[in-house]
Amino acid sequence: NAGVMQNPRHLVRRRGQEARLRCSPMKGHSHVYWYRQLPEEGLKFMVYLQKENIIDESGMPKERFSAEFPKEGPSILRIQQVVRGDSAAYFCASSPLGTGEKLFFGSGTQLSVL
Amino acid sequence: DQQVKQNSPSLSVQEGRISILNCDYTNSMFDYFLWYKKYPAEGPTFLISISSIKDKNEDGRFTVFLNKSAKHLSLHIVPSQPGDSAVYFCAASFLTGANSKLTFGKGITLSVRP
Repeated sequence: NAGVMQNPRHLVRRRGQEARLRCSPMKGHSHVYWYRQLPEEGLKFMVYLQKENIIDESGMPKERFSAEFPKEGPSILRIQQVVRGDSAAYFCASSPLGTGEKLFFGSGTQLSVL
Repeated sequence: DQQVKQNSPSLSVQEGRISILNCDYTNSMFDYFLWYKKYPAEGPTFLISISSIKDKNEDGRFTVFLNKSAKHLSLHIVPSQPGDSAVYFCAASFLTGANSKLTFGKGITLSVRP
């Protein structure tokens, strides 16, 4: 049973480009969460999605960031017109029931903006 | 507004001794608490959790204590081993609510000296 799969592991973008981060949850999990870890910081919640629905996006910056979890395929975190401050590790997590119990995390995508 | 606080950024202990990692929270509505361990370039992995109806939960070398009146929890590792060297994150959630996201602290870097 594969764990949470994130790709790419490393992504380098120049300022102004778009970044697309993909996350495939564990088999049987329909709840996906995205977190961001800035250097020397903890894990900051960004968005919580179920299939085809955004449940909580209170941690998402108002501009340039969007997320989706379509009926088929992985969840996508999209960052438009990246800036240097977007450089961070982005982690995806999934859970089977969405009950507030433990989340299973992927290995993350390290985004570097030049 | 930091709802989960890990005020000590680092801790160094001798192999074989006890490691005590502390965590405080401000929201009394949290009813489930978790500890995650994270190695560099990897995603966080679940370690141990405790429900607010308990004050202690033990799993092998790891014990979590919860003091609800003080809004404080701690993770005890005994005996500490060099492989325990990692960043430890405290997290909290609402088991009974509709939003199942975890709120994390900034983490504590534990170094276990051989």
